[in-house]
Amino acid sequence: GESVGLHLPTLSVQEGDNSIINCAYSNSASDYFIWYKQESGKGPQFIIDIRSNMDKRQGQRVTVLLNKTVKHLSLQIAATQPGDSAVYFCAGGWDNQFYFGTGTSLTVIP
Amino acid sequence: DVKVTQSSRYLVKRTGEKVFLECVQDMDHENMFWYRQDPGLGLRLIYFSYDVKMKEKGDIPEGYSVSREKKERFSLILESASTNQTSMYLCASSFKNRGALRSGYTFGSGTRLTVV
Repeated sequence: GESVGLHLPTLSVQEGDNSIINCAYSNSASDYFIWYKQESGKGPQFIIDIRSNMDKRQGQRVTVLLNKTVKHLSLQIAATQPGDSAVYFCAGGWDNQFYFGTGTSLTVIP
Repeated sequence: DVKVTQSSRYLVKRTGEKVFLECVQDMDHENMFWYRQDPGLGLRLIYFSYDVKMKEKGDIPEGYSVSREKKERFSLILESASTNQTSMYLCASSFKNRGALRSGYTFGSGTRLTVV
């Protein structure tokens, strides 16, 4: 079956540094990917998405990179701020269903 | 502001009780989902629905049922609550994808259920 996972359960970065969070997926049929941010006590919030016909997509301070050859995607956060502290997880899928990774907890050190 | 609303943020129920978790979305989404979220296990799909009165089992449907009588409302029912159903429950909704069109899920804030 499909699996989507994250490489590290926790990540600590210094405020102002860049953060990179990684995710791998198993099913090459996945053609759409999303990164979510979940703050404590809240539901996941959409950050950025990317379709499989793209390698890179940029948002405000965030960039998602997709490498279909090795079935890997990453989320880069530029100039990480304390408000970026949260759990981040990727989701990949096709048709009408997504599969979620378990999440990386990002802690920003002031 | 569009949203998915879950009726309760925190619930404490006794073992054996019948529990109803309600979810309402105002985005006219066709698809609705119920997940539970546990530490180290991520999001696990319980049930989903692509249309009114339709339901499909997810990965862990045992001990749960659902109801979708109206497009905007999707209810999760714990027939007889047990302590291993203590968890964070998340409702989500999305448009039905057609062809190359894609949309992600919009999540509610979650209901943290404790069964004692």
